[in-house]
Amino acid sequence: AQSVTQLGSHVSVSEGALVLLRCNYSSSVPPYLFWYVQYPNQGLQLLLKYTSAATLVKGINGFEAEFKKSETSFHLTKPSAHMSDAAEYFCAVTDSSASKIIFGSGTRLSIRP
Amino acid sequence: GAGVSQSPSNKVTEKGKDVELRCDPISGHTALYWYRQSLGQGLEFLIYFQGNSAPDKSGLPSDRFSAERTGGSVSTLTIQRTQQEDSAVYLCASSLSGGASMDTQYFGPGTRLTVL
Repeated sequence: AQSVTQLGSHVSVSEGALVLLRCNYSSSVPPYLFWYVQYPNQGLQLLLKYTSAATLVKGINGFEAEFKKSETSFHLTKPSAHMSDAAEYFCAVTDSSASKIIFGSGTRLSIRP
Repeated sequence: GAGVSQSPSNKVTEKGKDVELRCDPISGHTALYWYRQSLGQGLEFLIYFQGNSAPDKSGLPSDRFSAERTGGSVSTLTIQRTQQEDSAVYLCASSLSGGASMDTQYFGPGTRLTVL
């Protein structure tokens, strides 16, 4: 069965610094991979989605993620953190039938002034 | 346009009571999903409805949990004889279609359930 692992339940970076949130999926390549963001007291919203069209996926708010099959990874990055990026980030993959999404446990991103 | 709405936003109940949580998906969306988000954990898939097909109930944790979707629109998640471990945020999402197309899922704000 598909699974996804997010390394680090909490990441803290300084404003302006690089953001790197790690995500690894189980060995079989899932049809789709996602990053979702949950701002405080808000619902989840889609940041970006990998569909095999391109290994580097650009999302909203300056985030991007690179699919690396050799590393079974789909890490999320942003060159320069902004205070408004403070939120919970979830990596997710589809199951093999692509009928449902399996979420990681989430990484809480804090931004230091 | 209107997004996914859920009610109530908060529900406090006593152990052993039944609760009903409601989800109104985006109009025209044929796929509807329920997830559970427990403290410090990711989202756990519960159940998936796609059009008139039989729902995928593979994520329901016990037979105390059930869900229905009437008229292909509104969905109700029912938890019978609630237990303290049922305390969580219950999230609903809808998408234009489900299955292999994996259209973007739009999430509601959730219902926070607290079982005393």
